[in-house]
Amino acid sequence: SQTIHQWPATLVQPVGSPLSLECTVEGTSNPNLYWYRQAAGRGLQLLFYSVGIGQISSEVPQNLSASRPQDRQFILSSKKLLLSDSGFYLCAWTEEQGPIQFFGPGTRLTVL
Amino acid sequence: AQSVTQPDIHITVSEGASLELRCNYSYGATPYLFWYVQSPGQGLQLLLKYFSGDTLVQGIKGFEAEFKRSQSSFNLRKPSVHWSDAAEYFCAVGAQKTGRRALTFGSGTRLQVQP
Repeated sequence: SQTIHQWPATLVQPVGSPLSLECTVEGTSNPNLYWYRQAAGRGLQLLFYSVGIGQISSEVPQNLSASRPQDRQFILSSKKLLLSDSGFYLCAWTEEQGPIQFFGPGTRLTVL
Repeated sequence: AQSVTQPDIHITVSEGASLELRCNYSYGATPYLFWYVQSPGQGLQLLLKYFSGDTLVQGIKGFEAEFKRSQSSFNLRKPSVHWSDAAEYFCAVGAQKTGRRALTFGSGTRLQVQP
């Protein structure tokens, strides 16, 4: 069966520090991968999606970037964090031809 | 562009009472529709989905939802709520065509269950 992992589960970082969040999927091949951010009391905002290795699409201009170095690995990064980057970050995947999104457990990021 | 509206930010019901969470969507064609549930500090779990066919769909944990094209709605229902149903519920719409297949989510409805 397929599983999705996110690391770390929680993170507290100072403003201006770098960021790297990792998402890995097991048990499937060629998934579409997504990064969402969930601000407190709000819905999910799509940040990035990827349909293949090295293929990244950005939904909104921001302080973050994403990379997909391997088929089942998706990384969210920042060179310098802002206070507004605080939130709950969720990774999700879909099968190559399927619409159902499956979500990881999330990473709680607090920028101080 | 597609959009989802969940008009109720917060709902409180008594345990054993019935529940209906509202969802209205905007989309130019027949969409894929989803309901997800999120417990505090957790990821999202799929409750049910509608792709086509029977407009009343059954999901996990005793939930069901009805697709009403004329009203652009996909309301979630449960006949008898349990305390463990307290969580945040998200309605989402997806495009029925190839592409990025990302979902557009509503802002969520937080459900509180009173004993």
